[in-house]
Amino acid sequence: EVQLLESGGGLVQPGGSLRLSCAASGFTFSSYAMSWVRQAPGKGLEWVSAISASGNKYYPDSMKGRFTISRDNSKNTLYLQVNSLRVEDTAVYYCTRLSLIAVAAMDYWGQGTLVTVSS
Amino acid sequence: EIVLTQSPATLSLSPGERATLSCRASQSISTNLVWYQQKPGQAPRLLIYDASNRATGIPARFSGSGSGTDFTLTISSLEPEDFSVYYCQQRGTWPLTFGGGTKVEIK
Repeated sequence: EVQLLESGGGLVQPGGSLRLSCAASGFTFSSYAMSWVRQAPGKGLEWVSAISASGNKYYPDSMKGRFTISRDNSKNTLYLQVNSLRVEDTAVYYCTRLSLIAVAAMDYWGQGTLVTVSS
Repeated sequence: EIVLTQSPATLSLSPGERATLSCRASQSISTNLVWYQQKPGQAPRLLIYDASNRATGIPARFSGSGSGTDFTLTISSLEPEDFSVYYCQQRGTWPLTFGGGTKVEIK
């Protein structure tokens, strides 16, 4: 069974940093591209970043500079480093697996980790 | 960046009725369109990929159609568990983008 378990969320002051983790199991992690998607309270979905199986990284322009995606295939873990946090970064951050059949379709999602940025 | 516009924002229907949700892209994305369902307090779930292919385990009452810029998700007969929010996403071009969502609520 595919499982994605996010951790690392919590309450952070504006300007702070956070590293989110996503522990993957039930599939060959190193063979799949992975992604982070966030959802602000009561809002829609926003793509944050993706990393290919070979390590190529992708970001929307709005996330470049403060967000860094990485992966450790030896630990079956995906990471998201977020720096200079802003109030508007408050959201549930989901880890997703990208499909092999339809590249960049998100076929599995974790339950999410809540990041709250507030003073 | 490709902008996806979903309509209507809210759809009020009764169980057993047919639901038709629209997703329009700002430029052609061929059939690189994905649909997700999100229930309150849960993560989204993949429903349809490549515009018309049901994901594993998705009931046949869900169907997708369209190509280019206009796409439709149809639920042939609404079951109680189908009242949720539905999002479309394009996977044809970086950056990946989502539509704003359509909420299907009980009338």
